[in-house]
Amino acid sequence: AQSVTQLDSQVPVFEEAPVELRCNYSSSVSVYLFWYVQYPNQGLQLLLKYLSGSTLVKGINGFEAEFNKSQTSFHLRKPSVHISDTAEYFCAVSERSGNTGKLIFGQGTTLQVKP
Amino acid sequence: DVKVTQSSRYLVKRTGEKVFLECVQDMDHENMFWYRQDPGLGLRLIYFSYDVKMKEKGDIPEGYSVSREKKERFSLILESASTNQTSMYLCASLSVYSNQPQHFGDGTRLSIL
Repeated sequence: AQSVTQLDSQVPVFEEAPVELRCNYSSSVSVYLFWYVQYPNQGLQLLLKYLSGSTLVKGINGFEAEFNKSQTSFHLRKPSVHISDTAEYFCAVSERSGNTGKLIFGQGTTLQVKP
Repeated sequence: DVKVTQSSRYLVKRTGEKVFLECVQDMDHENMFWYRQDPGLGLRLIYFSYDVKMKEKGDIPEGYSVSREKKERFSLILESASTNQTSMYLCASLSVYSNQPQHFGDGTRLSIL
């Protein structure tokens, strides 16, 4: 079974500052990794995904994440945030084997960007 | 572009009512999912379906059932709504023949009074 832990429930940060949202996972099998963003009153939108290859993954809106297998982490980073990045962010994993595509989500991190 | 449409953005029902939440996808995806989202708990899988008339329980199926009579439509049913089912419900779909992740609808915020 898999589990995902997002270590911070809320992250306040000033505009133009860098930010890191932390995600750790636990799994006995190989997984794919994802970050989703949810803006107020909307569904989830994919930010980026790690399937294979380079461990540094670039996504939309200037976000990137690094897969660290030894630390079972997939932290999300942005060098300079904007007010418009205020949203809830979810880390998720799914098993590589099988074809259900089921996702296991973390608890979510609310990013609050202050002017 | 994939579109997953949930029939209602906001819904208010009364305790004991039978409630239907509808979800339609337009990309011929094989798999469809219903999640429940609650603060501090993230998204939890209620049910998923991998084919017409086929379904599997997720992590929190109690109090819910689902129906998939056509490939594009996946319905979530609250047999007898209770106040602890007040939540945001999200539907998603996925093609098993691509490496693309799940696509989500905009959600239905359900209040049970």
